[in-house]
Amino acid sequence: GAVVSQHPSWVICKSGTSVKIECRSLDFQATTMFWYRQFPKQSLMLMATSNEGSKATYEQGVEKDKFLINHASLTLSTLTVTSAHPEDSSFYICSATGAYGYTFGSGTRLTVV
Amino acid sequence: GENVEQHPSTLSVQEGDSAVIKCTYSDSASNYFPWYKQELGKGPQLIIDIRSNVGEKKDQRIAVTLNKTAKHFSLHITETQPEDSAVYFCAASSQAGTALIFGKGTTLSVSS
Repeated sequence: GAVVSQHPSWVICKSGTSVKIECRSLDFQATTMFWYRQFPKQSLMLMATSNEGSKATYEQGVEKDKFLINHASLTLSTLTVTSAHPEDSSFYICSATGAYGYTFGSGTRLTVV
Repeated sequence: GENVEQHPSTLSVQEGDSAVIKCTYSDSASNYFPWYKQELGKGPQLIIDIRSNVGEKKDQRIAVTLNKTAKHFSLHITETQPEDSAVYFCAASSQAGTALIFGKGTTLSVSS
């Protein structure tokens, strides 16, 4: 079956620093990747959609200069949270689509202190 | 854009009882409706899905029904077990390759 590997699973960073989260599709080519953010006891909120080789499309209210998304290959997408602040602390989840439909990563718990 | 409403937000049942979670969607073009189970600190896991050309789908103790006219779909879990306790999300998408839009989730608690 389709597998999406997301790393790191958790990260703690200091306020003002940047953090990169990676998502890799291990056994399929991900034509499109989606990034979601989930606050405690809330639903998954779509942040952005990225297609390989193209600029990401961000949802309203999501700062593209703060959440940098790169989808340089059909198997790798990265989300970089720049100049992180405590309010960016959340659970970030990627999802990839390909021949197997939608496959989700295991999520990254980001804590900004 | 698509909007997905999910009810109830919490559901408590006794082991062996059935559980039903309902969702409505707004975009009549939506044609794919998956259900996910999410355990604490983990990504969502697909448990069952249905497409708009099907009215019902069943997989052992889990079933999903779809009413396209009313724009709602439901998850049915029979013979619930304590390990069914988790947060369940419904979702919808309007075409292949577009993002899934999620409902707000239902916390299911199954007590033995």
